[in-house]
Amino acid sequence: EIVLTQSPGTLSLSPGERATLSCRASQSVSSSYLAWYQQKPGQAPRLLIYGASSRATGIPDRFSGSGSGTDFTLTISRLEPEDFAVYYCQQYGSSRYSFGQGTKLEIK
Amino acid sequence: EVQLVQSGAEVKKPGATVKISCKVSGYTFTDYYMHWVQQAPGKGLEWMGLVDPEDGETIYAEKFQGRVTITADTSTDTAYMELSSLRSEDTAVYYCATLPSHWGQGTLVTVSS
Repeated sequence: EIVLTQSPGTLSLSPGERATLSCRASQSVSSSYLAWYQQKPGQAPRLLIYGASSRATGIPDRFSGSGSGTDFTLTISRLEPEDFAVYYCQQYGSSRYSFGQGTKLEIK
Repeated sequence: EVQLVQSGAEVKKPGATVKISCKVSGYTFTDYYMHWVQQAPGKGLEWMGLVDPEDGETIYAEKFQGRVTITADTSTDTAYMELSSLRSEDTAVYYCATLPSHWGQGTLVTVSS
C-alpha cells in the first residue's frame, strides 16, 4: 500500500498570498495518478487536480498541480477567502488507493 | 449530470451491521469502479475499497478486510457498502465515489449503545 504524507499539517496564510502544499509518496505513483481535493466543513470533497497537473472542470487557474514519482505539489497562486479549507492528496495508480492525512489551510 | 445519491443516516448498536446504498445516474454504471471512503468526525479521508460493477470484482483496504462487503447491482445502478461487527470507532460519514471525480453526499453512521 502506498502511504502519502502531506506537509505541512496546518498552513496559516493571508488572502492574496501564495500557498504551497506538499504530498510525498512512500513509493512511486504510477503514471502520475495523483489527485488533489478541497474539503470544507459539512461538504463532500471536491476534485481540484487529477493526473498530478490537470485541473478539473470549473476549477480556477490559480490552482495548479505539479510533480511526479514520489513528490507532488499543489500551489494556489493568490489565495481567495473561499480557498481556506482542508486539502487532501490521493493516489489512484495502484490497486489499493490511498489518501494523505490532509493539510488545513487557515487564515492568518 | 452525474449524480450519486446515498441512503440516509443510520444509528446502530455495537456488534451490528450497517448497509448503505449509493444510486447513480447520469452515466453508465459499469463504466467506472465505485469506491467507498470513510471519514470519522474531525479526521481525514480513508479509502475502504472498490467494486467493479462490470463483473463484481472487489478490492478492499487491509484495515477493513473481513468486515466490509462492497457490491453493485447493475439492474438498479446501485452500489452498496456493508460494514459488520460495528464498534464506536466506525462512527463516521461514509462516501461513495467514482474516484477521482464524482462523490455522493455522504451518509452518517453512528455506532452507540
